[in-house]
Amino acid sequence: DQQVKQNSPSLSVQEGRISILNCDYTNSMFDYFLWYKKYPAEGPTFLISISSIKDKNEDGRFTVFLNKSAKHLSLHIVPSQPGDSAVYFCAARDDKIIFGKGTRLHILP
Amino acid sequence: DGGITQSPKYLFRKEGQNVTLSCEQNLNHDAMYWYRQDPGQGLRLIYYSQIVNDFQKGDIAEGYSVSREKKESFPLTVTSAQKNPTAFYLCASRYGYSSPLHFGNGTRLTVT
Repeated sequence: DQQVKQNSPSLSVQEGRISILNCDYTNSMFDYFLWYKKYPAEGPTFLISISSIKDKNEDGRFTVFLNKSAKHLSLHIVPSQPGDSAVYFCAARDDKIIFGKGTRLHILP
Repeated sequence: DGGITQSPKYLFRKEGQNVTLSCEQNLNHDAMYWYRQDPGQGLRLIYYSQIVNDFQKGDIAEGYSVSREKKESFPLTVTSAQKNPTAFYLCASRYGYSSPLHFGNGTRLTVT
């Protein structure tokens, strides 16, 4: 049973607009959430994280929002750039780190 | 430069052969992890190790084995018992519980 779910396999967004990637989780014991970006044939790169005691964390163009009551988090990228085209993984931690299946983001020119 | 080195980048083996994937880190990280990526499956945890000489099974450990004799090294052996070994294998490490994972660039294993 999937504990971390990314229900959108892909997303297309116009360059300059906002990209919103969503993630749901089922385990209320998760206390730390992370987003990773991955290009083909490379390892994932850490983007941003958020502790369960916060509801928002911002780093440059990237903002992560956490809604604990809904067990939902989202990653906002503003403005979207061509180099943002990649697969984005949501991850959550209890004693180990569990990943979702990823969302492929396409930034359209 | 500090980082995680996985070698080789591409590996080919015949069915029935065991194969060992290398993972070395010079980040002085305590914990190390092995994940497997398949199309549409995301990253699935195979094994992890929090300290030297100790490791735990992840979600898909069957057909795999690991060792952690040194802090810097966490090799993964894919045995002939693994039913579908062809995949992209990723090694990762982290400094402590509150730190994110840092990943190597992966090894693509093809078994025919």
